[in-house]
Amino acid sequence: NAGVTQTPKFRVLKTGQSMTLLCAQDMNHEYMYWYRQDPGMGLRLIHYSVGEGTTAKGEVPDGYNVSRLKKQNFLLGLESAAPSQTSVYFCASSYLPRIEAFFGQGTRLTVV
Amino acid sequence: QQQVKQSPQSLIVQKGGIPIINCAYENTAFDYFPWYQQFPGKGPALLIAIRPDVSEKKEGRFTISFNKSAKQFSLHIMDSQPGDSATYFCAAGAGESGGYQKVTFGTGTKLQVIP
Repeated sequence: NAGVTQTPKFRVLKTGQSMTLLCAQDMNHEYMYWYRQDPGMGLRLIHYSVGEGTTAKGEVPDGYNVSRLKKQNFLLGLESAAPSQTSVYFCASSYLPRIEAFFGQGTRLTVV
Repeated sequence: QQQVKQSPQSLIVQKGGIPIINCAYENTAFDYFPWYQQFPGKGPALLIAIRPDVSEKKEGRFTISFNKSAKQFSLHIMDSQPGDSATYFCAAGAGESGGYQKVTFGTGTKLQVIP
């Protein structure tokens, strides 16, 4: 029972490079989320999805894009990475809104 | 604009002590108040959650106290153990149009329980 799996776990990017973070869940959850975690800032919602084919902006969406082509996958893209995007990124999923969200183990991204 | 304010930022207690973490919110539309526990290198995991129709909820050694009129809620850890050392996040959730979920997290409290 894998739960929520994030790929990769670590990545170093140069400014201006692009990359995609993959999140996969095997719990058949409708709702999926991408958060970033920075020291002293807590968890901030980047984008979320309420079902296959749908996405919506969260608190800090600028510089990121997402796609939910399959129910079990939620991709987070950085088209042109900036040092301000250095962070730990967490994906989460939930069956219904405002109930327990299950988090992945995170992706530590450094942009140099 | 920080909608959920959490304090303290860090906390050190001795084994057996009762650490208390406080959170305050502004948005009266919030109707779901979870607490998450995060160990280093791991993702957050739900610890306990409360709805505004109750004033207290206990699960094992963890208790949430909720004061709707003051718009405050707190986490108490009874008989704290070194294994409770982690970062704790409070959060508050509200529904939005279309049934979308919005959960806002506090900034976290790093708890250290010393033997």
